[in-house]
Amino acid sequence: DIQMTQSPSTVSASVGDRVTITCRASQSISSWLAWYQQKPGKGPKLLIQRASSLQSGVPSRFSGSGSGTEFTLTISSLQPDDSATYYCQQYNSYRGFGGGTKVEIK
Amino acid sequence: EVQLVQSGGGLVNPGGSLRLSCVVSGLSFRTTWMSWVRQAPGKGLEWVGRIKSNTDGGTADYPTPVKGRFIVSRDDSKNTLYLQMDSLKTEDTAVYYCTPEGGVDWHGYFDNWGPGILVTVSS
Repeated sequence: DIQMTQSPSTVSASVGDRVTITCRASQSISSWLAWYQQKPGKGPKLLIQRASSLQSGVPSRFSGSGSGTEFTLTISSLQPDDSATYYCQQYNSYRGFGGGTKVEIK
Repeated sequence: EVQLVQSGGGLVNPGGSLRLSCVVSGLSFRTTWMSWVRQAPGKGLEWVGRIKSNTDGGTADYPTPVKGRFIVSRDDSKNTLYLQMDSLKTEDTAVYYCTPEGGVDWHGYFDNWGPGILVTVSS
């Protein structure tokens, strides 16, 4: 099974800050990576698929990059509504999620 | 609008069985690959199985923690997805989500999520 490792596990930042989350795969997954946002008590929301394709309706401050084994999710200017847990997910071979990154607002 | 209506959750003893159902509307269920994802209390997301469309072979795949205990199946005449869970363990306690897989040339991301359903394995 492909292992997905996210870092950091928690990030605390101020409104307006740039936030970057990293996701590493244990072997190459090409660009078959998605990012999700999850708020407490809710199901996940798809933000990005195929590593960098922004879903319709997702604010442009979210962006994704990377290929192979290393990927990043960037929030260019953190907003209060972005407080949530973020997950990466590979779909190159079966499916698998990273452990999650909790984004907190200072 | 895609709707996912889940049923079958609840409390079950360790070693017991449970079958979850998920009725899907708002998309072409017959041609859609479907997955189950779970989330234990306070923990992250975990994929527990996927079934291809019957037009793509209808086969199912599972991760190691549930292989041999869980079975994913589908009834295209009822637009319904199932998850049969046997030999349940306390660590299977989680909210279970059914979710259609997005993608045309390459399936695998999850663009619609229902409310999920709680399964509690406890004596």
